[in-house]
Amino acid sequence: QQPVQSPQAVILREGEDAVINCSSSKALYSVHWYRQKHGEAPVFLMILLKGGEQKGHEKISASFNEKKQQSSLYLTASQLSYSGTYFCGTDPVGNQFYFGTGTSLTVIP
Amino acid sequence: SQTIHQWPATLVQPVGSPLSLECTVEGTSNPNLYWYRQAAGRGLQLLFYSVGIGQISSEVPQNLSASRPQDRQFILSSKKLLLSDSGFYLCAQGASGANVLTFGAGSRLTVL
Repeated sequence: QQPVQSPQAVILREGEDAVINCSSSKALYSVHWYRQKHGEAPVFLMILLKGGEQKGHEKISASFNEKKQQSSLYLTASQLSYSGTYFCGTDPVGNQFYFGTGTSLTVIP
Repeated sequence: SQTIHQWPATLVQPVGSPLSLECTVEGTSNPNLYWYRQAAGRGLQLLFYSVGIGQISSEVPQNLSASRPQDRQFILSSKKLLLSDSGFYLCAQGASGANVLTFGAGSRLTVL
């Protein structure tokens, strides 16, 4: 049930771009993205409900390919504050949440 | 707005001892509630979820159990802790409709 994320870790310099991918073996009702700072609880970033839907949050956006059961998170012109672990959360039936394995993102000056 | 209270924030317990982690939520009535565990450097593992009082679904066979005695109270328990139970336990509330999750601050458990 757990979606798979890639890459597992990425290091960026400020201003660089990154893409985090999330794929599921099951059909998805929705995809959520969360960011977790070290030692803290995850914080919601955005939700995608329809196939092909794209959402944006500051310079962070995401897409959802319902047919391929995949979602991607795009971080452009990364900032130091973007560092953290990113999780995709998939909800196959409407009330269960399975999180991906996480992607550790480190932005350095 | 939704607020989630978890306690205790940290605890250190010996192997074989019991456990009780509590979570209470404020905001919408009849929320979906979740318990997740995060081992060090790992992802979030769904342990239990509840769609209403007394309704608990277990995702992973283990020595943990959950109960929901009241609409806004969710409790995680164990009769005998194992070393592998160490981790960061997060309670989450799902909002109606899109079911966006809001997490509590977490309870960090170390079993020695």
